[in-house]
Amino acid sequence: DQQVKQNSPSLSVQEGRISILNCDYTNSMFDYFLWYKKYPAEGPTFLISISSIKDKNEDGRFTVFLNKSAKHLSLHIVPSQPGDSAVYFCAASARAAGNKLTFGGGTRVLVKP
Amino acid sequence: SQTIHQWPATLVQPVGSPLSLECTVEGTSNPNLYWYRQAAGRGLQLLFYSVGIGQISSEVPQNLSASRPQDRQFILSSKKLLLSDSGFYLCAWRYFPGTGRNSPLHFGNGTRLTVT
Repeated sequence: DQQVKQNSPSLSVQEGRISILNCDYTNSMFDYFLWYKKYPAEGPTFLISISSIKDKNEDGRFTVFLNKSAKHLSLHIVPSQPGDSAVYFCAASARAAGNKLTFGGGTRVLVKP
Repeated sequence: SQTIHQWPATLVQPVGSPLSLECTVEGTSNPNLYWYRQAAGRGLQLLFYSVGIGQISSEVPQNLSASRPQDRQFILSSKKLLLSDSGFYLCAWRYFPGTGRNSPLHFGNGTRLTVT
């Protein structure tokens, strides 16, 4: 049972435009959500997180939106840069379940110059 | 600042051979430690986590085991590798600030294991 899903395996965007990555979850107990970026042969790097008490968090070019009623999370990257080309994972955890992170399957982003 | 070291970066082992992957964290004390695996083209699956020395929780039944002999050392082992153990293994740490608060995991650079 996949509790965290990223339904788009890949995304291609032009440099300078917005990248929008989506993530859906099923467990209503999740209360902390994160996005990670991963380059090949490297470990994931933490990008941004959001608590369930908020619906938006912004850090530079990255903004995460949380829609709890829809159980939906998205990451906006504006403007997209070639160095943003990577695989992006969303993740979620529940305090009631020991705060263990559950990851989605990832979305590969390609930013074209 | 905190750093996490994981080695080796790549490993090719025959079926039936033993395995030992090591992970150490510097710059923090009493971290929560984790082993994840990423199979080809898939997401990250939690294998083991530890909240303290000698305390190991296993998430999925498998051919692997974990140990935490020191506060900042986490080891992933197997007595006999299977072909299905191939994958990208990631160690991660988190400083858990306590009740009511949360924090992200920070990952090492991973070990690419190929079982032949």
